[in-house]
Formats: sequence, C-alpha cells, structure tokens
Amino acid sequence: SYELTQPPSVSVSPGQTARITCSGDALPKKYAYWYQQKSGQAPVLVIYEDTKRPSGIPERFSGSRSGTMATLTVSGAQVADEADYYCYSTDSSVNRVFGGGTKLTVL
Amino acid sequence: EVHLVESGGGLVQPGGSLRLSCAASGFTFTNYAMTWVRQAPGKGLEWVSAISGGGLRTYSADSVKGRFTISRDNSKNTLYLQMTSLRADDTAVFYCARDVWTGDYFYMDVWGKGTTVTISS
Repeated sequence: SYELTQPPSVSVSPGQTARITCSGDALPKKYAYWYQQKSGQAPVLVIYEDTKRPSGIPERFSGSRSGTMATLTVSGAQVADEADYYCYSTDSSVNRVFGGGTKLTVL
Repeated sequence: EVHLVESGGGLVQPGGSLRLSCAASGFTFTNYAMTWVRQAPGKGLEWVSAISGGGLRTYSADSVKGRFTISRDNSKNTLYLQMTSLRADDTAVFYCARDVWTGDYFYMDVWGKGTTVTISS
C-alpha cells in the first residue's frame, strides 16, 4: 500500500527556516499537499499541488517536490507556526494517504 | 464563506451504532464530493470515506468497509456517516471535508471542526 514518511519532529528558533520533509515512492508522479493542525483545532490546507498557497496563507509557507520527496518550508518561522504538519497524497479515489505528521516546535 | 459543521458524536458501547452529520453552507453542495477523515487520540489523520457530488459513487478505507456507510442529502446540504459494529479503535475525532477534483484525483480544501466519537463500555 502507498505510504508517506515524515520525521516526527522538527525544531527551530524564531526567525529561522524550518523544513519538513515527506517521502513516498509515488511522489515523483503525484502532487503533495500539506495541512497544518494546531493543538485542538481542525487541519488547514497550507500548500496544494506541491507549491501553491491557498488564499490567506502567509507567504512564508512554501512547498517543493523533487523525486520521491516533498518539502514544506516555513521561512522566518514564528511561534504562531507551532503545529503538527501532515503531508497528503493519493493515487486514486480510494488510496488516500496522510503522512504520520511532524510536530514543528518554534522556540 | 464555506462552512462545515459536524454533529452526532458521543459515547457508544462496543458493537453499537452512531450516525454523524455534517451541515454544509457557503458553496454549491451538489457540485462537490465530500469526505470523512478521522483522528484517534494522539494519532495522525486517517481518511475514512468519500462520496461523489451526486451521491452515486462512494469509497471507503478497508478499515471501515462493511461497517461504515457514507451518504448525502443534497436537498439539505448535509453529509452523513452511518457507523455500525463500532469498536474501541474507532474512537476518534471525525472531520468532514470538502473534496476538490484535480482532474486526476481528490484533495480536501476545507474542513469542519470535528465531532468526537468515543467507543467504551
């Protein structure tokens, strides 16, 4: 079955750049999506189709994909960006997969 | 503004049933497929089930196939998830989300706040 692998945690100081990776064998052929989930809240889409930012998402959030890896970059990370981040991809209507999630700590 | 509000969660004994609802507003409901995603306590996100805009096509994860049924009432702008034979490992927050079709597959762009389902005796 299709799997996406993320590091459990990433930690940066305020103002630094945080990079969260997501690896999966199907990523060379499929888009990656990224969701932010703050504590006790619902997920929010922050990146779609590898690099696009939905309306209202700050410019410091960016995405990229190369080979079997997608990366979410938070440039100039803020304390407000502390959250769990999940990558998502799919190769069919039934094979929808989330990565295990990465806890971003900014302190 | 797109708005999704889940309801129907609660405490149920193992083997019991529950029906979740998701009221949608702010968009043309029938034009979008819809999805349920769940999150067990302290765990990650798990896609559960999806339904096409017209309601004719449904898809479910293997973990719930045969036990959960997704449906929708487009006249009421409401999505449902009928859950039966519930088990302790079904305990989770259940989110409904709007599906966006890329031309190749789906992703979820807007999510509700979720409703909590607890399975315990």
